[in-house]
Amino acid sequence: KAGVTQTPRYLIKTRGQQVTLSCSPISGHRSVSWYQQTPGQGLQFLFEYFSETQRNKGNFPGRFSGRQFSNSRSEMNVSTLELGDSALYLCASSMDRGPPTVQYFGPGTRLTVT
Amino acid sequence: GEDVEQSLFLSVREGDSSVINCTYTDSSSTYLYWYKQEPGAGLQLLTYIFSNMDMKQDQRLTVLLNKKDKHLSLRIADTQTGDSAIYFCAESDTGGFKTIFGAGTRLFVKA
Repeated sequence: KAGVTQTPRYLIKTRGQQVTLSCSPISGHRSVSWYQQTPGQGLQFLFEYFSETQRNKGNFPGRFSGRQFSNSRSEMNVSTLELGDSALYLCASSMDRGPPTVQYFGPGTRLTVT
Repeated sequence: GEDVEQSLFLSVREGDSSVINCTYTDSSSTYLYWYKQEPGAGLQLLTYIFSNMDMKQDQRLTVLLNKKDKHLSLRIADTQTGDSAIYFCAESDTGGFKTIFGAGTRLFVKA
C-alpha cells in the first residue's frame, strides 16, 4: 500500500505570494491532518479534515486554510506569505480519528519564503 | 491549554540505553505516543500507550507512564547509531480529534 505522498517536496516563494500544498493520504484513510514544523516552534497542529469537513483547527491565522476532497486528498493554502511561514509542512493520514489516533506522515513539503 | 515538553538533546554511546523524557499537561489525555523522525523524512510512529497502563514493552523499546506526575519516558535498550533521530512525544484527547506534539528530542548516538 502506498504511503502518504506530498507535493511538491520543495518550494521557494516570495513574500506576499500564495501557495498551495497537496497531500494524498493512504488509500482508505479518511482523516488528514496538517502540521507546521519549524526549529523554533517544533511541530504545530494546523487543522484536521475528516470526510471533507474540517473537524479541528489549531491557532494559526486565517491566511492558512485547507480543504479535503471526496477522494480524501487534501490541500492547504497559505495566502500573503510571510518570512515566518518558512517551514516543513507535514501531512498525516489516519483511518479514523481513534482513539488511538495512529497517524502516518508524509515526507513533508519544505517551503522557503524569501 | 495542552502542552507537551521534552528536553531538546540527548547524547549516548552505542550499546548504552537511552531514556527520553516527556511531560504533558492535559489530564484528559487518553493515549500517549512516541514518534521518530529521521533526516529528510516525516514522522514514524514507534509505539503508543493507553493512559490506564503504566508500562509497555516492544522489543528494544520500553514506555513508562506515570499518570499522577503526567510523565512519560521512552527507553531504548542497546542503542545503535541507526537510532540517531528526533523523537517526539505526543498526546491525544478522548476523541482523538487533535494530537499535540512536543518539540522533539534529538538523540545523538556516538560510536
